[in-house]
Amino acid sequence: EVKLLESGGGLVQPGGSLRLSCAASGFFFSNYAMTWVRQAPGKGLEWVSTISGSGISMYYADSVRGRFIISGDSSKNTVYLQMDSLRADDTAVYYCAKDQTVGTRLSGGDASDSWGQGTMVSVSS
Amino acid sequence: DIQMTQSPSTLSASVGDRVTITCRASQSISIWLAWYQQKPGKAPKFLIYDASTLQSGVPSRFSGSGSGTEFTLTISSLQPDDFATYYCQQYNSHSRTFGQGTKVEIK
Repeated sequence: EVKLLESGGGLVQPGGSLRLSCAASGFFFSNYAMTWVRQAPGKGLEWVSTISGSGISMYYADSVRGRFIISGDSSKNTVYLQMDSLRADDTAVYYCAKDQTVGTRLSGGDASDSWGQGTMVSVSS
Repeated sequence: DIQMTQSPSTLSASVGDRVTITCRASQSISIWLAWYQQKPGKAPKFLIYDASTLQSGVPSRFSGSGSGTEFTLTISSLQPDDFATYYCQQYNSHSRTFGQGTKVEIK
């Protein structure tokens, strides 16, 4: 059974930093890309970032590029999201998700077939 | 970036109704579209991928269709457990985008 457990959320002041973690189990971590998706209070889903299973390729939404860094540690089966220069509009529940396909899809992107329960990030003074 | 537009934003229906949600892409995305269901306070649940393939374990009353720029999610006979918000997502490129969501509520 796939399990994804996010941690690291909390309250931070504007301009501050947080690092989210997502501990994965139940599948071969290095075979799958991992994705972060966020949801602001009362709003829809927003794709944030994806890292390939190899850890070589990373992709970011324009809204976070240059401020967030995604990384992975296959020895710990964990994916991270380092968030710097946080702003009020980064306030959201952050979900970690496993991509569906082993390797890379022809399309370049992928759907996410398993999701964690989410961790709340609040940016406020 | 590819924009995804869902309609309607809210849908009121009764148990047993046939329900259809539309998702339009701002440019062709072939069949690279997924559908998710989300209930309040919960993570999204994966329903359909490649526009029309049902994820294992998802009830057969759910179906998806379409290609290019226009897609639909149909629930053939709405059940009490189906009242939720539904999102489409394109994965035609590394930069993925979601629709704004369609809330299916009890009439």
